[in-house]
Amino acid sequence: DVKVTQSSRYLVKRTGEKVFLECVQDMDHENMFWYRQDPGLGLRLIYFSYDVKMKEKGDIPEGYSVSREKKERFSLILESASTNQTSMYLCASTPNRGYFQPQHFGDGTRLSIL
Amino acid sequence: GDSVTQMEGPVTLSEEAFLTINCTYTATGYPSLFWYVQYPGEGLQLLLKATKADDKGSNKGFEATYRKETTSFHLEKGSVQVSDSAVYFCALTTSGGSNYKLTFGKGTLLTVNP
Repeated sequence: DVKVTQSSRYLVKRTGEKVFLECVQDMDHENMFWYRQDPGLGLRLIYFSYDVKMKEKGDIPEGYSVSREKKERFSLILESASTNQTSMYLCASTPNRGYFQPQHFGDGTRLSIL
Repeated sequence: GDSVTQMEGPVTLSEEAFLTINCTYTATGYPSLFWYVQYPGEGLQLLLKATKADDKGSNKGFEATYRKETTSFHLEKGSVQVSDSAVYFCALTTSGGSNYKLTFGKGTLLTVNP
């Protein structure tokens, strides 16, 4: 089974801090994604990456950046955390074997910015 | 652009009741369709998928049929259990989309009472 592991289940940070959320997948997938999930808004795509060192903006990239130095790891960075970034963050991956392949999700990181 | 509309929740049912969650879509290319489920405190799991018209996806007693003529992919289950309580997301990806991006509906919260 594919395993997508997010480094923290719960995280509490302060306004203005630089925050790193880590995601690792063990199935050699080319594509990786970061979403945030908010009540009433569903899942919104922040950034995705289709190869090492490659990234593309999703629907809501403002206030975030990403890093993909190795194929298995995709990091989401909040450069200067703000309270409106309090949310559930989900990482996902999928292989380059046809667009009908499902995405595999981690368990999520619930981030609170105080 | 692509979009997914699913019925708003919450949906509350008694155990052994019949479940339908409606999902309709618009897509620029030929879509693959998915239902994901999110149990409390967890990430999303693939529930079922269908990749071409008239395909029926099924898993754990849930079914959904890809209806191209009505652009729909409604989720059904004949007899729900308390353990089915979760949030259900309809989603699509298309051959015309970029890098396997998923477009999600906003989710439907299902609560099943004993």
